[in-house]
Amino acid sequence: DVKVTQSSRYLVKRTGEKVFLECVQDMDHENMFWYRQDPGLGLRLIYFSYDVKMKEKGDIPEGYSVSREKKERFSLILESASTNQTSMYLCASRVGPTNYGYTFGSGTRLTVV
Amino acid sequence: GQSLEQPSEVTAVEGAIVQINCTYQTSGFYGLSWYQQHDGGAPTFLSYNALDGLEETGRFSSFLSRSDSYGYLLLQELQMKDSASYFCAVRARSQGTALIFGKGTTLSVSS
Repeated sequence: DVKVTQSSRYLVKRTGEKVFLECVQDMDHENMFWYRQDPGLGLRLIYFSYDVKMKEKGDIPEGYSVSREKKERFSLILESASTNQTSMYLCASRVGPTNYGYTFGSGTRLTVV
Repeated sequence: GQSLEQPSEVTAVEGAIVQINCTYQTSGFYGLSWYQQHDGGAPTFLSYNALDGLEETGRFSSFLSRSDSYGYLLLQELQMKDSASYFCAVRARSQGTALIFGKGTTLSVSS
């Protein structure tokens, strides 16, 4: 089975800190995605990547950046954390653009205080 | 842009049948997916429809009408473990084929 591993289950950070959320998949998937999930808003796409060193903005990229230096790892960066970035962050991967099934990680619940 | 509409909550009893509807607006539509998420868990893939019609997988079925920009997830012989959130998601050229999710439907199954 494909595994998507997010490095932290819970994180508490201070306003203004630079925050790194890490995601690793073990099945050589080309495509990786970051979503945030908030009650009543569903999953919203932040950034995605179709290959190493490639990135595309999703619907809500403001305040975030990403890094994909290796195929298996996709990092989400909060440049200067703010309280409105308190959320559940979900990473997902899929084989390629014509494949429709995502595998999600367990999520990182980030609290910015 | 794109948008998806689905009911926020549905309640049902064990053994019943429930249908969760999803209407969408997007450009360059490829297909409609459904995901299930239990409290505290990760979303898991249930089904995908690219063509009109009904796809059946065990107790769950999913339907798509491309002309109506409409789909639904049908859950039969409901069990308590089916209590979860269900998300529809469109795969469309407008977002580089990344999935865009609806806000989710919380299904509560009681005995």
